[in-house]
Amino acid sequence: QKEVEQDPGPLSVPEGAIVSLNCTYSNSAFQYFMWYRQYSRKGPELLMYTYSSGNKEDGRFTAQVDKSSKYISLFIRDSQPSDSATYLCAMSAGTDKLIFGTGTRLQVFP
Amino acid sequence: NAGVTQTPKFQVLKTGQSMTLQCAQDMNHEYMSWYRQDPGMGLRLIHYSVGAGITDQGEVPNGYNVSRSTTEDFPLRLLSAAPSQTSVYFCASSLNPPRHGNTGELFFGEGSRLTVL
Repeated sequence: QKEVEQDPGPLSVPEGAIVSLNCTYSNSAFQYFMWYRQYSRKGPELLMYTYSSGNKEDGRFTAQVDKSSKYISLFIRDSQPSDSATYLCAMSAGTDKLIFGTGTRLQVFP
Repeated sequence: NAGVTQTPKFQVLKTGQSMTLQCAQDMNHEYMSWYRQDPGMGLRLIHYSVGAGITDQGEVPNGYNVSRSTTEDFPLRLLSAAPSQTSVYFCASSLNPPRHGNTGELFFGEGSRLTVL
């Protein structure tokens, strides 16, 4: 079993919808949580970063971390076709290793 | 700004052949890493380096070697290619290692697509 699990999707939503993307993890030592976005045939790029539990908002994006449940979420409000990509969660236990989830493919149709 | 540059972008090998995937960054980043990305498996860490002369193993290091003789370059060597090494390989770098107090933002190259027949 991987340390970090993600539903691979694809998740298909209409433009303007609220999208919820989730990851679960098993290592209670994880304390740094990130979301990366990857467009087709490109490298991932950092979208959101959160330390420990709580919420963080950046424009249309909100990241939530619930360490007691070992569960993190990324919400996208007013989704746009340009949000169509694969979203990968990533976590670190304060070591030099960043562990990624499998990624969820999101499709936003006009 | 070149960022992280990977070469080659595509490569086809026969089983047993060796090759080197090149990675160079021009951002003076201390931390560099190699990942492989496979369907259903996500990104898996192969090897990483926290500075010139220092390397360490990630989640899936077998069959791969790395060295870090300069800050800028971090080549990945496949010693004897196997079909299981067919994958997309990503090199990534960050200013500091993703440890305590660092956002751990990795800057990725565009990937090298390797097929082993």
